[in-house]
Amino acid sequence: GAVVSQHPSRVICKSGTSVKIECRSLDFQATTMFWYRQFPKKSLMLMATSNEGSKATYEQGVEKDKFLINHASLTLSTLTVTSAHPEDSSFYICSVWGLTNEKLFFGSGTQLSVL
Amino acid sequence: SQQGEEDPQALSIQEGENATMNCSYKTSINNLQWYRQNSGRGLVHLILIRSNEREKHSGRLRVTLDTSKKSSSLLITASRAADTASYFCATARSNDYKLSFGAGTTVTVRA
Repeated sequence: GAVVSQHPSRVICKSGTSVKIECRSLDFQATTMFWYRQFPKKSLMLMATSNEGSKATYEQGVEKDKFLINHASLTLSTLTVTSAHPEDSSFYICSVWGLTNEKLFFGSGTQLSVL
Repeated sequence: SQQGEEDPQALSIQEGENATMNCSYKTSINNLQWYRQNSGRGLVHLILIRSNEREKHSGRLRVTLDTSKKSSSLLITASRAADTASYFCATARSNDYKLSFGAGTTVTVRA
């Protein structure tokens, strides 16, 4: 299976600042990565699909300018929450497909708290 | 959008007992998967069952799929305290590779 590293695991920031979350595929090249958001005791909501070398595909209702995604290499995708506000506080998780494009392998998640 | 719905939302059992949770979905699927999430962590893939399969086993896990009822069940036998986690079903639709997750079942196994 794939090994996915996500950093940081927890971040606290002031309202109005930007926060960058990194997702790395450690043992194989990932042309596609997924970013999810999860509220407490809720399901995962797909935010966007990150495509290496091209623009990310955002799900309906997700603000592109708010959640900037960059997938500049086959092993790294970043999610930047710009001008963060308390309502952006959430658990963000990235994932990649395994080799057969059937199973998802997840990072350990990032708990974002905006004060 | 969320497609799978798990039932029950929460389950508390004694160590050694079996835990059963169900998942219902709405549209046709290519496969259905179950994932586990420990508190504050990412998800771990447990088992995948394809639309043409009816039952699958993996260790202490048993998954069933009834495509006519658009439902699946996950059975954990001889539960252990370490099985305490949230369990999510996820469906892969026939026309794309995106996974849609249910709301999850939180399982607490008491020692």
